[in-house]
Amino acid sequence: QVRLQESGPGLVKPSDTLSLTCAVSGFSISTDYWWGWIRQSPGKGLEWIGYIYHTGDTYYAASLKSRLTMSVDTSRNQFSLKLSSVTAVDTAVYYCIKKKAGWFAFDIWGHGTRVTVSS
Amino acid sequence: DIQMTQTPSTLSASVGDRVTITCRASQILNNWLAWYQQKPGRAPRLLISQASTLESGVPSRFSGSGSGTEFTLTISSLQPDDFATYYCQQYVDYPLTFGGGTKVEIK
Repeated sequence: QVRLQESGPGLVKPSDTLSLTCAVSGFSISTDYWWGWIRQSPGKGLEWIGYIYHTGDTYYAASLKSRLTMSVDTSRNQFSLKLSSVTAVDTAVYYCIKKKAGWFAFDIWGHGTRVTVSS
Repeated sequence: DIQMTQTPSTLSASVGDRVTITCRASQILNNWLAWYQQKPGRAPRLLISQASTLESGVPSRFSGSGSGTEFTLTISSLQPDDFATYYCQQYVDYPLTFGGGTKVEIK
């Protein structure tokens, strides 16, 4: 059974870079599937951030693309997100997700990690 | 971006009721639509993809229908475990977008 677990700081200062990692268990990410991130905030609801394949191919939300970097570490079976120049608008619960095979829906979610942007 | 509008935003119902949630898209989706259930403090759970295909393990009282720009999620007989917030999501085009949610409350 595939499981995802997010980790990273819960508090980030404005203008800093938000860094999160998602550890995958129960499946080797170098085998298949797209892996990514979705965030949820009271103001914006559920917002798709982007996803990455084990080859390094990515799809990013255009609104975040200039600040966003995703990467994969197949040796550790994990993937990561970096979002630069954060502001209070980036405060949210961040979920790592697995894209369902064949369709662009998300069938596996991590528990989520709350990130607050504040000085 | 494709806008997804869910109605109602809140729904009060009793156990055993038939419940219908509507999701309207600003563009034709060709059935590329998913439904999720989210309970407080939990991650969303995928219920339905391709507008009407139930995920494994999802009770058969849940069903999805619709086409074009209008879709519905129906719960045929509401159970205590079904009180939650439901979201639709389109995946016909980037960016992938979600509806604002429908909270199903106990009447």
